[in-house]
Amino acid sequence: DQQVKQNSPSLSVQEGRISILNCDYTNSMFDYFLWYKKYPAEGPTFLISISSIKDKNEDGRFTVFLNKSAKHLSLHIVPSQPGDSAVYFCAASSYNNNDMRFGAGTRLTVKP
Amino acid sequence: DTAVSQTPKYLVTQMGNDKSIKCEQNLGHDTMYWYKQDSKKFLKIMFSYNNKELIINETVPNRFSPKSPDKAHLNLHINSLELGDSAVYFCASSQSEKWAEAFFGQGTRLTVV
Repeated sequence: DQQVKQNSPSLSVQEGRISILNCDYTNSMFDYFLWYKKYPAEGPTFLISISSIKDKNEDGRFTVFLNKSAKHLSLHIVPSQPGDSAVYFCAASSYNNNDMRFGAGTRLTVKP
Repeated sequence: DTAVSQTPKYLVTQMGNDKSIKCEQNLGHDTMYWYKQDSKKFLKIMFSYNNKELIINETVPNRFSPKSPDKAHLNLHINSLELGDSAVYFCASSQSEKWAEAFFGQGTRLTVV
């Protein structure tokens, strides 16, 4: 029962362009959403988060958008850099529950 | 100066053996976790320890047992290993006020043969 889905296993973009990674969730109880980035042979690292009371959160080149009615969130990276090449995991949770659900990840490749 | 370190990085063992994976965090966090990344690359939480108390235990076989000697350590013991236990296991830690913003170790790739 995958409650968090990342339907694109991979994405390739040119350096300097925008990368858009998508994530859908099914559980309406989720109220906190995160993106993690993972390089090969390393653990995931926290990137950015958004609470359900917001629809946008920005941190430098990274912006997360949340559409609660569509149960959809996306991560925008502008401009994309080769160092951004990694697997990006979407995660969702409830504030009153320490259980975080992850998507399967999207592998982003940024070409120089 | 690794924040969350787990050992070993690779572990190859035979079915039926008992093994342990160690995890230590030097961030002063009060919550530690074990995650399993399966063959389909999904990360699933197995255990969570907060102030030495188990607060989450997903539907994990009781062959798996977390042991926390102190707040900085959460070791994972696995008894009677099975082929299906082969996966990458990640340790993580966080502070309870920002519990979802977890710091992960580099992972332990367990292969059961």
